[in-house]
Amino acid sequence: DGGITQSPKYLFRKEGQNVTLSCEQNLNHDAMYWYRQDPGQGLRLIYYSQIVNDFQKGDIAEGYSVSREKKESFPLTVTSAQKNPTAFYLCASSISSSGQGARREKLFFGSGTQLSVL
Amino acid sequence: AQKITQTQPGMFVQEKEAVTLDCTYDTSDQSYGLFWYKQPSSGEMIFLIYQGSYDEQNATEGRYSLNFQKARKSANLVISASQLGDSAMYFCAMRDTGRRALTFGSGTRLQVQP
Repeated sequence: DGGITQSPKYLFRKEGQNVTLSCEQNLNHDAMYWYRQDPGQGLRLIYYSQIVNDFQKGDIAEGYSVSREKKESFPLTVTSAQKNPTAFYLCASSISSSGQGARREKLFFGSGTQLSVL
Repeated sequence: AQKITQTQPGMFVQEKEAVTLDCTYDTSDQSYGLFWYKQPSSGEMIFLIYQGSYDEQNATEGRYSLNFQKARKSANLVISASQLGDSAMYFCAMRDTGRRALTFGSGTRLQVQP
């Protein structure tokens, strides 16, 4: 079955530690996204990538980094600079994020990673 | 400035009744898309329905319909014949030409009571 796989489901970070959240998709989608969700709140955009080897900052990129070396993969690193990392992280993909039809493109989401600080 | 506003943090509805979840948006673009997602307690986001700014008809998908009022910049989700499984968070989202990712509202928690 095609879809988006996020791992791990739960992750714990110690003070001063960098941690990496995995996101893999086999939908052959060009665009991928990372969102952060705090309890009782909506989703906020961290980073997105429209194509391999290219990515753009979202609204809350500080303290995070990403890479897009392969079409299928878009890992998110939560660095020690992110002072309040406890949140639910959702990865998503879409066929494309540019062009005339892009506004119609829905996002497909993974099942999320809950990150907590020890 | 907030682009998507959902003013109802929580809603209750009786099973088999209809419910409307409110969403207003702000954009200066003429071309944009509006989406609704459902998030059960498991956390996964489930796409429900889409409305394009140029679509003449209100979108419908099974028990879901979208009450799109372009002049008022509102895109309310209507769920008919509510079921217990409809209990979840519901998010309104928009993509316009100024942004290549979806912008989400703060969500509405719907609880369906037997």
